Amino acid sequence: AQSVTQLGSHVSVSEGALVLLRCNYSSSVPPYLFWYVQYPNQGLQLLLKYTSAATLVKGINGFEAEFKKSETSFHLTKPSAHMSDAAEYFCAVSETAAGAQKLVFGQGTRLTINP
Amino acid sequence: GAVVSQHPSWVICKSGTSVKIECRSLDFQATTMFWYRQFPKQSLMLMATSNEGSKATYEQGVEKDKFLINHASLTLSTLTVTSAHPEDSSFYICSARIPAGLGQYFGPGTRLTVT
Repeated sequence: AQSVTQLGSHVSVSEGALVLLRCNYSSSVPPYLFWYVQYPNQGLQLLLKYTSAATLVKGINGFEAEFKKSETSFHLTKPSAHMSDAAEYFCAVSETAAGAQKLVFGQGTRLTINP
Repeated sequence: GAVVSQHPSWVICKSGTSVKIECRSLDFQATTMFWYRQFPKQSLMLMATSNEGSKATYEQGVEKDKFLINHASLTLSTLTVTSAHPEDSSFYICSARIPAGLGQYFGPGTRLTVT
């Protein structure tokens, strides 16, 4: 069974500082990995996804993530935090490219940006 | 870009009544949609996978007779919470599988409060 663990339910950084949100996965087959962002009382917006094409994936809003098979990790980073980045971030894994493509989500990490 | 809508965005109902939530894909056909439940400050929990023209597939522990799912067309899936109780109060989010791609487009969510 696949699973996702996000280390740190709450991360706080200063505006302009590096953002690092950690995600580790467990999968019996090569996974497909996703990062989603959720603003209060809204649905999820896709930030980026790993589909085995390239290990460093660039997404929207300046975010990127690197797939490291040896560490079973897919950490999300952004060089310089902006106030508008404050939100809840979810890492998710899917084991199939076809069929239902069910997603399994991590617990989420709330990102707070300090002025 | 592709958009998934939900209606209503919030609803308050009395205990014992039923509530229907609609999920629509606005500019693409969605053969597969998903229904999630999210409790405050928690992650998304997949409730069921909705396939157009066939019965929904429910996750373990989800009562199919309580959470009725209908996916009668390629652009509409509905979730009906029958005989709602206060413990059913939650944020319900639907998503649609990206056509010919990986991942899901998420709706904005519906907040259900049962009094």
